[in-house]
Amino acid sequence: AQSVTQLGSHVSVSEGALVLLRCNYSSSVPPYLFWYVQYPNQGLQLLLKYTTGATLVKGINGFEAEFKKSETSFHLTKPSAHMSDAAEYFCAVSDRAGNKLTFGTGTQLKVEL
Amino acid sequence: NAGVMQNPRHLVRRRGQEARLRCSPMKGHSHVYWYRQLPEEGLKFMVYLQKENIIDESGMPKERFSAEFPKEGPSILRIQQVVRGDSAAYFCASSPTGLGSGANVLTFGAGSRLTVL
Repeated sequence: AQSVTQLGSHVSVSEGALVLLRCNYSSSVPPYLFWYVQYPNQGLQLLLKYTTGATLVKGINGFEAEFKKSETSFHLTKPSAHMSDAAEYFCAVSDRAGNKLTFGTGTQLKVEL
Repeated sequence: NAGVMQNPRHLVRRRGQEARLRCSPMKGHSHVYWYRQLPEEGLKFMVYLQKENIIDESGMPKERFSAEFPKEGPSILRIQQVVRGDSAAYFCASSPTGLGSGANVLTFGAGSRLTVL
């Protein structure tokens, strides 16, 4: 079975500050890892994914995440927050044989002036 | 190229009524997934379908819920005799192949928000 834990259901940062959203996963097999963003009343949009290869993954809107197998983590970062980054962010894991994602409970990011 | 289309976007039902949610996958996508998002929770997998086949329904409640993806037309998630606990956002996603290939990711629709009075 797989699981995802997102530490901090709410994160608040100042505009221009570093964004760090934490994600830890549990998987008995090498995982595929994803970050999705959800704006109010909209569906989920893929930010980035890790499958194989380079462990530092760059995504859209200046976000990136690093897969650390030893720490079973896939934290999402952005050097400088923008007001438009305010949204809910979901980390997800999929095994390589399966056809479904297991999502974390989400982190609501608030960006303040 | 339209994305994943879901309708209705909002649906209100009284307890005991039926709810039907429709999902048209992206053009060229033959794999459809349904997820449910309860308030303050992440998305939970419900069912994975290909055309005319249910591949994985391990997340579907045993009673009152059913899903289909016919040869022609949209995928439909059907909830019979709805109860207040069914109030949630139901998201459909599609992919061109199964996720197991790794190269493809899910494209999500905007969701259907069901409110049961």
